Amino acid sequence: GAVVSQHPSRVICKSGTSVKIECRSLDFQATTMFWYRQFPKQSLMLMATSNEGSKATYEQGVEKDKFLINHASLTLSTLTVTSAHPEDSSFYICSAEVLRGDKETQYFGPGTRLLVL
Amino acid sequence: AQSVAQPEDQVNVAEGNPLTVKCTYSVSGNPYLFWYVQYPNRGLQFLLKYITGDNLVKGSYGFEAEFNKSQTSFHLKKPSALVSDSALYFCAVRNAAGNKLTFGGGTRVLVKP
Repeated sequence: GAVVSQHPSRVICKSGTSVKIECRSLDFQATTMFWYRQFPKQSLMLMATSNEGSKATYEQGVEKDKFLINHASLTLSTLTVTSAHPEDSSFYICSAEVLRGDKETQYFGPGTRLLVL
Repeated sequence: AQSVAQPEDQVNVAEGNPLTVKCTYSVSGNPYLFWYVQYPNRGLQFLLKYITGDNLVKGSYGFEAEFNKSQTSFHLKKPSALVSDSALYFCAVRNAAGNKLTFGGGTRVLVKP
């Protein structure tokens, strides 16, 4: 149980284009999902907290207009990197908190590798 | 503010020997502590957590961790390491009231045959 998927697993795009990354909880409902960014050989940095049906809460220094988050249902959150630039190249990982049961643990998706040329 | 320190960037151990990955934390209130493992180009896999109760927590793949409140530590241990345990390990903390996780910098474990 508690499986989180991400799509796509890898994406290459041209500078200036927008990229959408999906995060789905496959076998549970999640009122809260989190988006992280991980640079090579570094730890995870929380970008934003996504709550179903409401606006995301962004961490300090994260541009909300650049990283658009939508949490339209209890099983889906999307991160859109708008007007991507090479410095946005990174590994993006989402996680989800279960709605019922084990509420303390975040379960992570497999990550999405973004490369902006 | 909450923080996590993993003092070792890398730990090398021979297969069959005990493995320890160190973690200390700082958080206001009661800590919720977690260990995750990450394999190359993959997300994080949950290993174990401490919420309350026994200080010794047992988790997946034979791993365990001991919560030490006085030393604010939550070291990860495995009695006999396997080559397949080679990966990147992250310690994380949150307080009981919030839901934001703060991660340590990660420790790369290399188990040699």
